Amino acid sequence: GAGVSQSPSNKVTEKGKDVELRCDPISGHTALYWYRQSLGQGLEFLIYFQGNSAPDKSGLPSDRFSAERTGGSVSTLTIQRTQQEDSAVYLCASSSRTGDNYGYTFGSGTRLTVV
Amino acid sequence: AQSVTQLGSHVSVSEGALVLLRCNYSSSVPPYLFWYVQYPNQGLQLLLKYTSAATLVKGINGFEAEFKKSETSFHLTKPSAHMSDAAEYFCAVGTTGGGNKLTFGTGTQLKVEL
Repeated sequence: GAGVSQSPSNKVTEKGKDVELRCDPISGHTALYWYRQSLGQGLEFLIYFQGNSAPDKSGLPSDRFSAERTGGSVSTLTIQRTQQEDSAVYLCASSSRTGDNYGYTFGSGTRLTVV
Repeated sequence: AQSVTQLGSHVSVSEGALVLLRCNYSSSVPPYLFWYVQYPNQGLQLLLKYTSAATLVKGINGFEAEFKKSETSFHLTKPSAHMSDAAEYFCAVGTTGGGNKLTFGTGTQLKVEL
């Protein structure tokens, strides 16, 4: 696609429910990243996928968070048993190369509200 | 390890005045540096990037930034602010071998007043 697409744009869920957030990166981009942006905070790195390599999960805040990337393209971030502190904007980005730091292209984000 | 500090979470300027947003970084290896802008309810958009070529980098919308190794700084400037520049600005640092994983600052909200 022309840009990074994220869905849904907004999600309201009850505490304790599971949610899935979707990211469709730019076609041909081999690297995909998930970040979390909480109110008044910077961007917190969550997870990074590069091609067929094992993902870098070092930023996932707890084992309730997981992500997968199917076929080297679409990625799904899953949050199980959501808590109120999970409320944030979840941003996905993709990049055409790694190691050269070409910069990211971001999606518009999914605003998650846990009530 | 790498980190970014943005001084001033809120900056207010008059339309037509100089914009200066400060960013200092910490990195044990030569860094790559970026500025992103975020308009309300949108994702982040790349303004400019430093990747070890010229130290003065020009970006979109009339913004530029200068890499100063001795000061570990990468401040963002624009000679004349426009109302449409009102947004949140994020500085980010990455390094070679870091898998292109960027570390972001906490952001600076720019307000432009008439």
